[in-house]
Amino acid sequence: KAGVTQTPRYLIKTRGQQVTLSCSPISGHRSVSWYQQTPGQGLQFLFEYFSETQRNKGNFPGRFSGRQFSNSRSEMNVSTLELGDSALYLCASSPDGGAYGNTIYFGEGSWLTVV
Amino acid sequence: QQQVKQSPQSLIVQKGGISIINCAYENTAFDYFPWYQQFPGKGPALLIAIRPDVSEKKEGRFTISFNKSAKQFSLHIMDSQPGDSATYFCAARDSGAGSYQLTFGKGTKLSVIP
Repeated sequence: KAGVTQTPRYLIKTRGQQVTLSCSPISGHRSVSWYQQTPGQGLQFLFEYFSETQRNKGNFPGRFSGRQFSNSRSEMNVSTLELGDSALYLCASSPDGGAYGNTIYFGEGSWLTVV
Repeated sequence: QQQVKQSPQSLIVQKGGISIINCAYENTAFDYFPWYQQFPGKGPALLIAIRPDVSEKKEGRFTISFNKSAKQFSLHIMDSQPGDSATYFCAARDSGAGSYQLTFGKGTKLSVIP
């Protein structure tokens, strides 16, 4: 069974640009969450989608947005990039419900550098 | 309060020794406590998890101890090996909130020296 797949793995953007990151969850998983990981702040929750609906949102500015498609694939977008947005962006998926409903699996992340 | 406090920040253990990482939480609604292991350049991988209705869970060399009254839980790595050198994160989730949001500790960088 394939794991959580994130693309691109690495990217460099300039301040003011926007970026779109993609995530394909584990087959059959309906919940997709996004996290930002930085050395200073650790892992911080961005938002979670379930059946194309945003179910929860973390404390990030409106420049950070996301969506989920009918096949559970998800994208997140960051507009007007700032230097502080440089981070590892992690996608996580979960089956939502059942005996393993709590199990949350992470992808390897997308490394974003803003210059 | 949504915080999960993790300690120590870094840990050096000799091969064969026991590594112990501690976490404390405040939100009594948390009902699922996973530990994740992360190697450099990789995403966090689920190591072991526990629910608060049990006080201990063991999987191989890894054990979670859970103290509900103290709102604390810890990870014990027995017979630590150099291959265990990684960053470990504790986390917690409030399943009743209807979301899969995990609240993470700040992480512990474990170094196991030969």
